[in-house]
Amino acid sequence: QVQLVQSGAEVKKPGASVKVSCKASGYTFTSYGISWVRQAPGQGLEWMGWISAYNGNTNYAQKLQGRVTMTTDTSTSTAYMELRSLRSDDTAVYYCARDLPLIAAAGADYWGQGTLVTVSS
Amino acid sequence: DIQMTQSPSTLSASVGDRVTITCRASQSISSWLAWYQQKPGKAPKLLIYKASSLESGVPSRFSGSGSGTEFTLTISSLQPDDFATYYCQQYHGTFGQGTKVEIK
Repeated sequence: QVQLVQSGAEVKKPGASVKVSCKASGYTFTSYGISWVRQAPGQGLEWMGWISAYNGNTNYAQKLQGRVTMTTDTSTSTAYMELRSLRSDDTAVYYCARDLPLIAAAGADYWGQGTLVTVSS
Repeated sequence: DIQMTQSPSTLSASVGDRVTITCRASQSISSWLAWYQQKPGKAPKLLIYKASSLESGVPSRFSGSGSGTEFTLTISSLQPDDFATYYCQQYHGTFGQGTKVEIK
């Protein structure tokens, strides 16, 4: 069965970086993409970006350009999302989700369990 | 950036009601729209992709329609398990602000 298992909760200070992992199993990793979505406490969903595990192409939300990097390690079927220069408003639950390999945000059918990132001094 | 405007923000309905949620895009997105359901503390669940295609395993009371800039999600007969928040998402990434379906 398809599973996406994310790394554990993180507490970071403002200005630091965080790297969240998302390990995929149960399907051919390189046949799909991975989208990253976050949700601040009590707020709606915010799309952060997408990476194709097929060809490595990325597409980032304009708001996060320059602060976010998404990568994949096809040898371990793991996707990573790194967010730098953290601010308090980056406090959120971060989700990875399986998406199409060539089109970002076309319909993510399997989701990780979420990783809480707390940014606090 | 393409903006997505979802309405209403909150909807009060009873079991058995027909419910319609609307999502408008600031420019044409063809049929590249998905709908998700989210319950508190849980990850979103894909309901509809490409505007009108029902995701496998999703009950047939859910349906999607529209193209271009105007889209709708319809629940034909609201069930107790359907009280949740619903989001649309266009293929460049932007989500609508969400519609919370509450018990009337």
